[in-house]
Amino acid sequence: DVKVTQSSRYLVKRTGEKVFLECVQDMDHENMFWYRQDPGLGLRLIYFSYDVKMKEKGDIPEGYSVSREKKERFSLILESASTNQTSMYLCASSFPDGPNGYRSNQPQHFGDGTRLSIL
Amino acid sequence: AQSVAQPEDQVNVAEGNPLTVKCTYSVSGNPYLFWYVQYPNRGLQFLLKYITGDNLVKGSYGFEAEFNKSQTSFHLKKPSALVSDSALYFCAVRDYSNYQLIWGAGTKLIIKP
Repeated sequence: DVKVTQSSRYLVKRTGEKVFLECVQDMDHENMFWYRQDPGLGLRLIYFSYDVKMKEKGDIPEGYSVSREKKERFSLILESASTNQTSMYLCASSFPDGPNGYRSNQPQHFGDGTRLSIL
Repeated sequence: AQSVAQPEDQVNVAEGNPLTVKCTYSVSGNPYLFWYVQYPNRGLQFLLKYITGDNLVKGSYGFEAEFNKSQTSFHLKKPSALVSDSALYFCAVRDYSNYQLIWGAGTKLIIKP
């Protein structure tokens, strides 16, 4: 079974702090994603990565950065946390369909999420 | 612009009755359509997808979905609901020109015994 593990289920931080959310997958997936989930808004893509050291901005990258130094690990960084970043954060991974990892109809496998509160 | 609509925030169904969770979409090219389910305090799980071929797609846990190109819909169905089907359901769409999924807002499905 595919396992996507997010380092924390719940996290409480203060405004202005630098926050790291970690995600590890064990299926050798090329693609990895960070989403935030807010009630009534569905999932919004923050960043995704299709290979080590490669990243692409999603819909809402402002205030966030990412790091992918190893294939199995994809980190989300809140550079200076703000209260409007209080949310559920979901990490996902998938295989690409072909050599172009951008376009994939392979299922995404999700972690259980990190509920982040910024006070 | 690409979009996905799940017109119902919540659907209530009695156990044993058929259920339908609605999804409509708008894309510029051929759509690739997906359904995911989220149980409480968990991440999303893939249920099924439509890429091409038969308009009726069968997926996990007895769910199926019907692709209707003329109505631009991809409704999720199950012939007989279980209490354990209670969860949040998300529809998502992608067209070939885009690299990411566009997600609906989600529909909360409540199955009452």
